Amino acid sequence: QVQLVESGGGLVKPGGSLRLSCAASGFTFSDYYMSWIRQAPGKGLEWIAYISTSANVIHYSDSVKGRFTVSRDNARTSLYLQMNSLRDEDTAVYYCARVFRIPSAGWFDPWGQGTLVFVSS
Amino acid sequence: QSAVTQPASVSGSPGQSINISCTGSSSDIGLYNFVSWYQQHPGKAPKLLIYDVTKRPSGVSDRFSGSKSGNTASLTISGLQPEDEADYYCSAYTNVGFFGGGTKLTVL
Repeated sequence: QVQLVESGGGLVKPGGSLRLSCAASGFTFSDYYMSWIRQAPGKGLEWIAYISTSANVIHYSDSVKGRFTVSRDNARTSLYLQMNSLRDEDTAVYYCARVFRIPSAGWFDPWGQGTLVFVSS
Repeated sequence: QSAVTQPASVSGSPGQSINISCTGSSSDIGLYNFVSWYQQHPGKAPKLLIYDVTKRPSGVSDRFSGSKSGNTASLTISGLQPEDEADYYCSAYTNVGFFGGGTKLTVL
């Protein structure tokens, strides 16, 4: 079955870095755009990045642009999020999601179970 | 700010029908039929309910339906059940992101 499993979350100090991974299985990973979406505690969903099938199209939300980098390894069927210069407000559960069609005309399905990033001194 | 606007909360009794609105603009929801809806129970990942405004993935109950009028999309849940109590998010691509702020559904 289609499955996405995130890992790499944890406690990090402000200004620190963390790398999240999302392992995909059950579908042809290289055929799909992928996205990262986060949810701060008690808050709503916030899209933060997406990446095209061959990584030639990448977009970020203004809130993470310049600090986060999304990448993918189609051979390893994995998606990554390198997070630098972390701030308190980056504390959230981070989800990876498969994108159907292209993000501007598509939808997110399925979602992984999420990984918690906690930024605190 | 959220990309599209949803009510913070709605409520209904078991067996009733409720609607959750999702308001955008003539540049997004009003222009394209690319609205999707997600259900999220506490501590769980969001789950796709509706895509392309009205389409339901296999396995999603037909009690969930979507529609659109002008710049506003709507999710209708008929025959409310206790397990429908959850947060619901609409999504449409805009220049400030994808998601509404979410609507908490309480089944009384």
